[in-house]
Amino acid sequence: EPEVTQTPSHQVTQMGQEVILRCVPISNHLYFYWYRQILGQKVEFLVSFYNNEISEKSEIFDDQFSVERPDGSNFTLKIRSTKLEDSAMYFCASSESGYGYTFGSGTRLTVV
Amino acid sequence: DAKTTQPTSMDCAEGRAANLPCNHSTISGNEYVYWYRQIHSQGPQYIIHGLKNNETNEMASLIITEDRKSSTLILPHATLRDTAVYYCIVRVAMEYGNKLVFGAGTILRVKS
Repeated sequence: EPEVTQTPSHQVTQMGQEVILRCVPISNHLYFYWYRQILGQKVEFLVSFYNNEISEKSEIFDDQFSVERPDGSNFTLKIRSTKLEDSAMYFCASSESGYGYTFGSGTRLTVV
Repeated sequence: DAKTTQPTSMDCAEGRAANLPCNHSTISGNEYVYWYRQIHSQGPQYIIHGLKNNETNEMASLIITEDRKSSTLILPHATLRDTAVYYCIVRVAMEYGNKLVFGAGTILRVKS
């Protein structure tokens, strides 16, 4: 069964550093999403991406965040200057039609 | 904000049916109900979705009331591996595609 692949599975970074989280969506999917889950809290929507541009973003997704689909297969989330409160599980998801979603297994980001 | 309310937790005996209720009284006529589950901190896993009619797949059944204000997810023969957080989600339409807005979910504990 096709799956969404995320790398790395765990990333530790120092506060103020830039991090890039990588995702390989399912190959024929057109809609891409990032969600995050702070430990013990709800899964929160961050951003959706369609047709090479952001289609919607949440209040969390401020200027420190950016997304990119650099080569037609990868989908990345960049956090420019990490803060302690950015520590969370980050999930990538993709959808063929915007209706069914497949999530990746996540990247655990720890900011120290 | 999530448009659903679910019990915080439920217990179920192994081999018995698990019935997970969900209220979505403000659902609009064209909004789908989705069910996902999350085991530990893994990525959310799709279970089933529906609009008006009851649905069944290899994992579960979804019963939606006629007025669509509530639904029930049924796991017919729960196993220990079904212990997870179960999310009932009303999919929110965006200009391009849709997004899932997660609530707190129901912690289902399957006990032997």
